[in-house]
Amino acid sequence: LAKTTQPISMDSYEGQEVNITCSHNNIATNDYITWYQQFPSQGPRFIIQGYKTKVTNEVASLFIPADRKSSTLSLPRVSLSDTAVYYCLVGDRGGSYIPTFGRGTSLIVHP
Amino acid sequence: GAVVSQHPSWVICKSGTSVKIECRSLDFQATTMFWYRQFPKQSLMLMATSNEGSKATYEQGVEKDKFLINHASLTLSTLTVTSAHPEDSSFYICSAKREGNTGELFFGEGSRLTVL
Repeated sequence: LAKTTQPISMDSYEGQEVNITCSHNNIATNDYITWYQQFPSQGPRFIIQGYKTKVTNEVASLFIPADRKSSTLSLPRVSLSDTAVYYCLVGDRGGSYIPTFGRGTSLIVHP
Repeated sequence: GAVVSQHPSWVICKSGTSVKIECRSLDFQATTMFWYRQFPKQSLMLMATSNEGSKATYEQGVEKDKFLINHASLTLSTLTVTSAHPEDSSFYICSAKREGNTGELFFGEGSRLTVL
């Protein structure tokens, strides 16, 4: 399983763009990168998933360099409600995938 | 999106009693579900992988006789904490992987267990 490393915490202000980087140096060829968001006392929820280059949806963008050894979750114009813990997971999408969580990044958005 | 529901969302029990937590996939079938435990300010720790129709696969250090997992149907997995003790107090979260999807996990709301 590819191990992931993220900053433990980040601070930002409302309206700013936030970029959270995840390192996964031993990512395998079949592995995808998936980001989840978790609010206190709730289960995580899916944000975005990608394999290479750039993926964008209505809430975030995911940038993946050519070597795929890292990825960056980009949250445009954050608001207070984006204060949460963000996790990146790396693994294949097959039946053998066992999703394990790293420490995640605690993002605090200030007024 | 797909919905996974957990019940109860919170439970308080006396030490020595058993508590059952249900995890249901409401609008899709899930042959595989995962159970996690999360302590305050910590990440999710995988406890076991629940496979429909077969025995669960437990992670190292997780007592299978204490945390009984049953995945009797394609939409229901249960976690029973047997003879609960205060140190079992935690936030338990289940997730389900929908067949044929992108590998995206759908998580339940979590169940807060407090053992007195």
